[in-house]
Amino acid sequence: EIAMTQSPATLSVSPGERATLSCRASQSVRSNIAWYQQKPGQAPRLLMYGASTRATGIPARFSGSGSGTEFTLTISSLQSEDFAVYYCQQYNQWPPLTFGGGTKVEIK
Amino acid sequence: QVQLVQSGAEVKTPGSSVKLSCKASGDTFSNSGLTWVRLAPGQGLEWVGGIIPMFGTTNYAQKFRGRVTISADESTSTVFLDLRSLKSEDTAVYYCARGSVRWFDAWGQGTLVTVSS
Repeated sequence: EIAMTQSPATLSVSPGERATLSCRASQSVRSNIAWYQQKPGQAPRLLMYGASTRATGIPARFSGSGSGTEFTLTISSLQSEDFAVYYCQQYNQWPPLTFGGGTKVEIK
Repeated sequence: QVQLVQSGAEVKTPGSSVKLSCKASGDTFSNSGLTWVRLAPGQGLEWVGGIIPMFGTTNYAQKFRGRVTISADESTSTVFLDLRSLKSEDTAVYYCARGSVRWFDAWGQGTLVTVSS
């Protein structure tokens, strides 16, 4: 089973600033990861797949990078609607499909 | 554009079973499949398992094997999650999502399952 580790657990950022979220896989997953955003009381929303391809309707301020075991999700200029929990998920080797523990992006 | 509508909240006692449903509209999931993911209080997202009706295949997370069954009724575009021998640790919001072997691009609204004596 591939373990996904996200850091930091909580990220405090001011609106308009850049946020950088990290995700590490316990072994190579090539570029086979996705990122999701989840707000309280809502279902997750797909942001990114293939490590760097934005899903339909996702703003350009979201970008993804990395391959192998190290991945990054960057939000270039945080908007009020971006404060949420973000999860990475690998789909290179399954079952099981595995998620990271999440990073909460909160207002500083 | 697919929409996934899940059944309502459930309250169960330890040792009992629960069966959740997820009805798809606007698109077929027969070849893309559907997956169940849960979010327990204070925890992160956890994959439970998935089904690809076109191929008749199911996959489950090891920790649930033996007490979970995912099935589909293609005639009504509905997928079901049957979880047995419930424990308090199964208390969570259960989501269905489109996709089974890669990413999940559409999600149901979630169903809260509370297991309590």
